[in-house]
Amino acid sequence: AQKVTQAQTEISVVEKEDVTLDCVYETRDTTYYLFWYKQPPSGELVFLIRRNSFDEQNEISGRYSWNFQKSTSSFNFTITASQVVDSAVYFCALSEAPLTGGGNKLTFGTGTQLKVEL
Amino acid sequence: AAGVIQSPRHLIKEKRETATLKCYPIPRHDTVYWYQQGPGQDPQFLISFYEKMQSDKGSIPDRFSAQQFSDYHSELNMSSLELGDSALYFCASSFRQGSPGELFFGEGSRLTVL
Repeated sequence: AQKVTQAQTEISVVEKEDVTLDCVYETRDTTYYLFWYKQPPSGELVFLIRRNSFDEQNEISGRYSWNFQKSTSSFNFTITASQVVDSAVYFCALSEAPLTGGGNKLTFGTGTQLKVEL
Repeated sequence: AAGVIQSPRHLIKEKRETATLKCYPIPRHDTVYWYQQGPGQDPQFLISFYEKMQSDKGSIPDRFSAQQFSDYHSELNMSSLELGDSALYFCASSFRQGSPGELFFGEGSRLTVL
């Protein structure tokens, strides 16, 4: 069975600080996909990144960066120079490789509430 | 670009009533997923459909049913509503021949059961 663990329930930082959100996953599949979503107070799920299990290259997108390490089953997310607008709940999620007939269901972690204060 | 459309965005019902949520996937997407997110919880997978057939089933109560129609839109029917059904319901869609693992979420339908 798949499992995603986000041990940090809530993190508070001051604006301009860097912050790392941890994600540890469990799966028996050799092919899988990892995701990060942002959920602002308005409620929608905003897609941030998708990474497949064969691509361990770290990625940077503006102030966001992701560190994928298969050896530790972790997919951590770092926000550099945080801003108040980054305040949201962040979910890490895992999907097995699609089955025939469409099988991309996601297993979400419990989320990390990030609060960025002035 | 067209996104996943969910309606209604907000719905208030009384206990034991029935509610229906609708989801219109992105054009050409053939797979629809339903998720339920309770207050302070993570989204939980309920059910999915591929080409109008149920493709996977998660923790969906027996009081709930869903289907995907010929135009690929989907409806989630919830009967005998309970207070615990109050949640944000997300629909997502994907295209089987598209990038693996790529899902697109709607903005959600917020159901409040009083």
